[in-house]
Amino acid sequence: GAGVSQSPRYKVAKRGQDVALRCDPISGHVSLFWYQQALGQGPEFLTYFQNEAQLDKSGLPSDRFFAERPEGSVSTLKIQRTQQEDSAVYLCASSLRTRTGNQPQHFGDGTRLSIL
Amino acid sequence: SQKIEQNSEALNIQEGKTATLTCNYTNYSPAYLQWYRQDPGRGPVFLLLIRENEKEKRKERLKVTFDTTLKQSLFHITASQPADSATYLCAPRGNNDMRFGAGTRLTVKP
Repeated sequence: GAGVSQSPRYKVAKRGQDVALRCDPISGHVSLFWYQQALGQGPEFLTYFQNEAQLDKSGLPSDRFFAERPEGSVSTLKIQRTQQEDSAVYLCASSLRTRTGNQPQHFGDGTRLSIL
Repeated sequence: SQKIEQNSEALNIQEGKTATLTCNYTNYSPAYLQWYRQDPGRGPVFLLLIRENEKEKRKERLKVTFDTTLKQSLFHITASQPADSATYLCAPRGNNDMRFGAGTRLTVKP
């Protein structure tokens, strides 16, 4: 497709379950980002990949959060032992080149995660 | 600590008027400032980028200013339309900074 694709669009899980969220970036985009967005707030940075290398994971809130991009294209964000505070929209973005402030980010429409 | 503040949570204006949204940042010096639009249930969409050496940038009905002394950007939508109703996010950026402001929700009433 032409844009960033995320799946599933909605995910409901029980507290304690593990979840996996998928992101298909725009083909050829080097940089990939994950964000968490709470209701009424801006996106909060979680982690950044340049090709398959995870260069920044400073925003991951705990060691229950894990992200990978093994072949430098599709990425998966995994949350283990989910808790209610993990409920949020998880956004993925890609950009053509390496992370610099002058690169527009292209976002998917997110996965809305609800933890019961 | 570094902070990004957008002027208000919500702004309501009448169709045809100019909407002005404010983005202030503290404790850092971004080389670029980006603005995005986000509709409910959708991801942010890139609108404009302005560099620190540019005072003003325009794109159709949009105008952005960047004052590095005041540490502020203003985002203007002229001749506003109901279709402009959305949340607008600012993103002051250095080379290693991926943050966003909390956004301002703009409603344009017919």
